[in-house]
Amino acid sequence: DAKTTQPPSMDCAEGRAANLPCNHSTISGNEYVYWYRQIHSQGPQYIIHGLKNNETNEMASLIITEDRKSSTLILPHATLRDTAVYYCIAPSEGYQKVTFGTGTKLQVIP
Amino acid sequence: GAVVSQHPSWVICKSGTSVKIECRSLDFQATTMFWYRQFPKQSLMLMATSNEGSKATYEQGVEKDKFLINHASLTLSTLTVTSAHPEDSSFYICSAGGVVNQPQHFGDGTRLSIL
Repeated sequence: DAKTTQPPSMDCAEGRAANLPCNHSTISGNEYVYWYRQIHSQGPQYIIHGLKNNETNEMASLIITEDRKSSTLILPHATLRDTAVYYCIAPSEGYQKVTFGTGTKLQVIP
Repeated sequence: GAVVSQHPSWVICKSGTSVKIECRSLDFQATTMFWYRQFPKQSLMLMATSNEGSKATYEQGVEKDKFLINHASLTLSTLTVTSAHPEDSSFYICSAGGVVNQPQHFGDGTRLSIL
């Protein structure tokens, strides 16, 4: 898996956009970037993934730099329920196994 | 969407008891499932890869005789914690994904407390 680096924690005001960065400078050309989150005492939840192009779904947007060495997960209007630990993962090509780092603990503040 | 069901959600038992946790893929077949363990305030740690019809692959440092994994069908994997002791108390989570380069789907976890 490509090594990923995330800030350990971030705060975001409720209603504002939360922008969570991730560095993955060793990612290879065919490795996807996945984002998951874990709300306290629950199993991880898949958010979004992408390879080269920016992606958007009902939960979030994923912006991947042109050189693919970093990406940003955007929660457009953070709510208190978005408080969680967010994990950025770049598993080896074709590999299903997910190895978790320490992630970013996002605290949404009222 | 794809759903992974894990049962039980929590269990409390006495030291020395063996505990079985089930992980089911509800609307897809999974030849491979994964088992994780998470201690308080720590990240998820992969324990083993469960392979349908063959032996599980364990991560370094995980005792295969302690954590028995059976993957007898394409929709069910079980993790049995044998002769559980208080240090085995943890949050156990399974995952499954049907297709390469697609996301894994996780169960809601099983909180195991050994008294």
